[in-house]
Amino acid sequence: KQEVTQIPAALSVPEGENLVLNCSFTDSAIYNLQWFRQDPGKGLTSLLLIQSSQREQTSGRLNASLDKSSGRSTLYIAASQPGDSATYLCAVLSGGSYIPTFGRGTSLIVHP
Amino acid sequence: DVKVTQSSRYLVKRTGEKVFLECVQDMDHENMFWYRQDPGLGLRLIYFSYDVKMKEKGDIPEGYSVSREKKERFSLILESASTNQTSMYLCASSFPRVNYGYTFGSGTRLTVV
Repeated sequence: KQEVTQIPAALSVPEGENLVLNCSFTDSAIYNLQWFRQDPGKGLTSLLLIQSSQREQTSGRLNASLDKSSGRSTLYIAASQPGDSATYLCAVLSGGSYIPTFGRGTSLIVHP
Repeated sequence: DVKVTQSSRYLVKRTGEKVFLECVQDMDHENMFWYRQDPGLGLRLIYFSYDVKMKEKGDIPEGYSVSREKKERFSLILESASTNQTSMYLCASSFPRVNYGYTFGSGTRLTVV
């Protein structure tokens, strides 16, 4: 059974820092990995989707990498801003199923 | 812009009421999902559907049922609401392809009093 872990659970940083959020998974036979952002009281917004055959994806200040052999993905946020404050979740699709396994998320606060 | 629309952002219902949560997607997705999200427990799958009139139980189906009469609409039903069903409910949809991601709705915060 796939297990997905996100460490740290919470992070507080000053504005302008470059950040790395981590997502680890136990079964490396994945189809894809998706990063989401969730603002308080709202739904999940997709940020990046990395296919199994890819090593990274980029969107603006966000870059997500995937290393299947080590069971790890990282979300890199460049030049963080207060508007980046949210919870970031990763979801892994694997195991012959169309149901992803979610991590518990990393709660990020970027203070001015 | 593709969308998953949940009919209500906030709902307050009384214990014992029958509650309907509606979800509509405009992307022609076959797969639709209902999750609940609680602090410290993460996202938990209640039910999913991979086709019209088809449904499968997720991890926590007790106290819930679902209906999918049309491809674009997936309804979650609380037959007799209880206070322990107070939660954030999230609907999602996807194509049944491993190279495709998931789209979520904006969520419904349900409070049962």
